[in-house]
Amino acid sequence: DADVTQTPRNRITKTGKRIMLECSQTKGHDRMYWYRQDPGLGLRLIYYSFDVKDINKGEISDGYSVSRQAQAKFSLSLESAIPNQTALYFCATSGNDFQPQHFGDGTRLSIL
Amino acid sequence: EDQVTQSPEALRLQEGESSSLNCSYTVSGLRGLFWYRQDPGKGPEFLFTLYSAGEEKEKERLKATLTKKESFLHITAPKPEDSATYLCAVQGSVGNQFYFGTGTSLTVIP
Repeated sequence: DADVTQTPRNRITKTGKRIMLECSQTKGHDRMYWYRQDPGLGLRLIYYSFDVKDINKGEISDGYSVSRQAQAKFSLSLESAIPNQTALYFCATSGNDFQPQHFGDGTRLSIL
Repeated sequence: EDQVTQSPEALRLQEGESSSLNCSYTVSGLRGLFWYRQDPGKGPEFLFTLYSAGEEKEKERLKATLTKKESFLHITAPKPEDSATYLCAVQGSVGNQFYFGTGTSLTVIP
């Protein structure tokens, strides 16, 4: 089983709908992250959490919210989806400082 | 502002033709520089961490090096299975965030 699992893997929805992307991990890491990846723009940080009680905005948090339900679970919500939120979304985890991130296989989200 | 620039954007090599990918960075207090490999439809897969100038890491046909301003990923005698996008990221001391470059898409032709 994958260490970082994202669900769903693919989602097509309509403008204005509320969407939740889920991430769970078995690595035992405290730190979790949500990124979006767009062609030519690379990975951009949306939100990150260093423990269950800690939530921080990243570079592009507008239009998104997150919930850290447990050490192993971190979900990303789009309250009212818009077409320019169409992208590939990745969840990642890391251990303490100086440690690399480990990524899930992503959710491909299309908003029509 | 922390920033990462990778070059070239795309690289096509014949099998066995060695080359290097570049990652230039600006960061306040480097905590680590990370190289990842990303295959289509997959998440980035961790390859190397470099912490200080002069450090080198090797894995099979890949070798990563680090100076105070840039890192190189050297690919020796590449094979078609090395085809992927290679991403570079830095972690700075402010905010502990990671900053990614846009990647180099490598294609190795048999």
